Amino acid sequence: KAGVTQTPRYLIKTRGQQVTLSCSPISGHRSVSWYQQTPGQGLQFLFEYFSETQRNKGNFPGRFSGRQFSNSRSEMNVSTLELGDSALYLCASSTTGRHDYGYTFGSGTRLTVV
Amino acid sequence: KQEVTQIPAALSVPEGENLVLNCSFTDSAIYNLQWFRQDPGKGLTSLLLIQSSQREQTSGRLNASLDKSSGRSTLYIAASQPGDSATYLCAGQTGANNLFFGTGTRLTVIP
Repeated sequence: KAGVTQTPRYLIKTRGQQVTLSCSPISGHRSVSWYQQTPGQGLQFLFEYFSETQRNKGNFPGRFSGRQFSNSRSEMNVSTLELGDSALYLCASSTTGRHDYGYTFGSGTRLTVV
Repeated sequence: KQEVTQIPAALSVPEGENLVLNCSFTDSAIYNLQWFRQDPGKGLTSLLLIQSSQREQTSGRLNASLDKSSGRSTLYIAASQPGDSATYLCAGQTGANNLFFGTGTRLTVIP
């Protein structure tokens, strides 16, 4: 059974650019969540998608956006990159995202903004 | 706002020792709790999930418990091994469809 696949694994971008990260959930999972991990703030929730709809959103600026496709694959986009956006971005998939199903995480995308 | 504290922040033990990691939530209204391990530069590996109707879960040398009344969880690792060296994270799920993560405990098991 394939796990959660995130691409690319590493990215280096320049301030002001935009970036798109991709996440393919476990087959049959319809909920995809995104998290940002930094040394200073730890793991913080960005947003969650279920059946192509954003159900929940964390406290991040509008530069962070996402979407989900009909096959449950998800992308997140960060526009006008800032140095502080350098982080490990993790995607998690769940059957429904509702209670008691747990989450499976991908290996993450390491974004470095220079 | 839900805040999750993990104690200790770092722990170094000799191989073979039993150890306990602690996790506490400011809002005890959590539905379930999941423990993860993270190796340097890697993603999260799920260890145990304590569902809403459960109070503890066991997998091999790992045992996790959850006391909802106090908003506390513990992860017990028996007979620690060098391969257990990693950062351990607890995460609780409340009413919304997202996890609140703890600050992590960095464990080093010395051969």
